[in-house]
Amino acid sequence: SAVISQKPSRDICQRGTSLTIQCQVDSQVTMMFWYRQQPGQSLTLIATANQGSEATYESGFVIDKFPISRPNLTFSTLTVSNMSPEDSSIYLCSVDLAKGSYGYTFGSGTRLTVV
Amino acid sequence: AQSVTQPDIHITVSEGASLELRCNYSYGATPYLFWYVQSPGQGLQLLLKYFSGDTLVQGIKGFEAEFKRSQSSFNLRKPSVHWSDAAEYFCAVGHAGTASKLTFGTGTRLQVTL
Repeated sequence: SAVISQKPSRDICQRGTSLTIQCQVDSQVTMMFWYRQQPGQSLTLIATANQGSEATYESGFVIDKFPISRPNLTFSTLTVSNMSPEDSSIYLCSVDLAKGSYGYTFGSGTRLTVV
Repeated sequence: AQSVTQPDIHITVSEGASLELRCNYSYGATPYLFWYVQSPGQGLQLLLKYFSGDTLVQGIKGFEAEFKRSQSSFNLRKPSVHWSDAAEYFCAVGHAGTASKLTFGTGTRLQVTL
């Protein structure tokens, strides 16, 4: 299965600022997914990122708040913009490996605290 | 829309005892089903997955799960729990056409007593 590196692993940010989270995969993947896990909650899909096209956002998430880049087949970034304490969560990326392998790998996550 | 229900928020078992974590799903077609484990401060680790074929699926760490279409269930089992199994367990269902796009249940926190 793929190895995913997420940076930063954790951060404490001031409200009103933005944080960009990086997700690097050690192999080319078609689709990358960004999830949010709020404290004590389950995971919620934010958006799906395909290389060469705009990300597809789930209900309740908008591009202005969570802009995503996908410049190539091994890398993606998620930015949390104009942060408020409600954005304090763990953000995880996941990848869709080649058909047939059906490997579902998650990064170790970015623990964000907004103060 | 697909959904996943994990009825048990918190379960406590003694070390060496058997374990069953419940998962029920709602999905219009044959689902892709997953169990993940999340240890404190850690990321998600895939325990096992079901796509088709044998309805009893073996996973890592001695876990298994059984897909029962008639009951819309995919319960996770382990015959003898170890203290290191204490963690949060998530059941998830994959979306049609993109199995990796997952809908997660709310999770079950497993506590193991010695």
